[in-house]
Amino acid sequence: EAGVAQSPRYKIIEKRQSVAFWCNPISGHATLYWYQQILGQGPKLLIQFQNNGVVDDSQLPKDRFSAERLKGVDSTLKIQPAKLEDSAVYLCASSLDRTDEQFFGPGTRLTVL
Amino acid sequence: GNSVTQMEGPVTLSEEAFLTINCTYTATGYPSLFWYVQYPGEGLQLLLKATKADDKGSNKGFEATYRKETTSFHLEKGSVQVSDSAVYFCALSDQAGTALIFGKGTTLSVSS
Repeated sequence: EAGVAQSPRYKIIEKRQSVAFWCNPISGHATLYWYQQILGQGPKLLIQFQNNGVVDDSQLPKDRFSAERLKGVDSTLKIQPAKLEDSAVYLCASSLDRTDEQFFGPGTRLTVL
Repeated sequence: GNSVTQMEGPVTLSEEAFLTINCTYTATGYPSLFWYVQYPGEGLQLLLKATKADDKGSNKGFEATYRKETTSFHLEKGSVQVSDSAVYFCALSDQAGTALIFGKGTTLSVSS
């Protein structure tokens, strides 16, 4: 069974530029999560989807971050404009349903200069 | 709100030493508790979990017991190997299936 796929794996941008990350969850998984992991810290939830609806986006900085999950399958996370403090690893995870085990992708490491 | 606190690292051990990584939590109700591991260059993987008080999760020689009276979920292994070198994260999820809340992670380095 294929795991959670993410791309790109690495991205370097200048501050105030925009960037987008893509995630393809495990087939059949209804729940999809985006986490932000800043160096030296544990992952922190940005947004949680159930199929194509948002369950929790309370910690998403909505003035600059946006995410969508069209058709309830893959998802994109966008940052516009990026700030220095957005430098982090962005992790995508999926689970069969909300109370099931979460499987994580390899992450996208973003560096904002 | 819910939170997880785990011991600061790094933890440096010799091969075959005993490992304990402390984890305590704050939560309402009865959360599920997890340990995740992140090996160098790899993604987060579930190591073990426990869903109710007094449950013991175990995997690959690692164990952790859900202690509600002390709100703890300490990770232990009797004899570590070099291949156990990684970052270990304690996490919780509440009964409603919310997203995971992670501790800051503890780096384990095992030398031969």
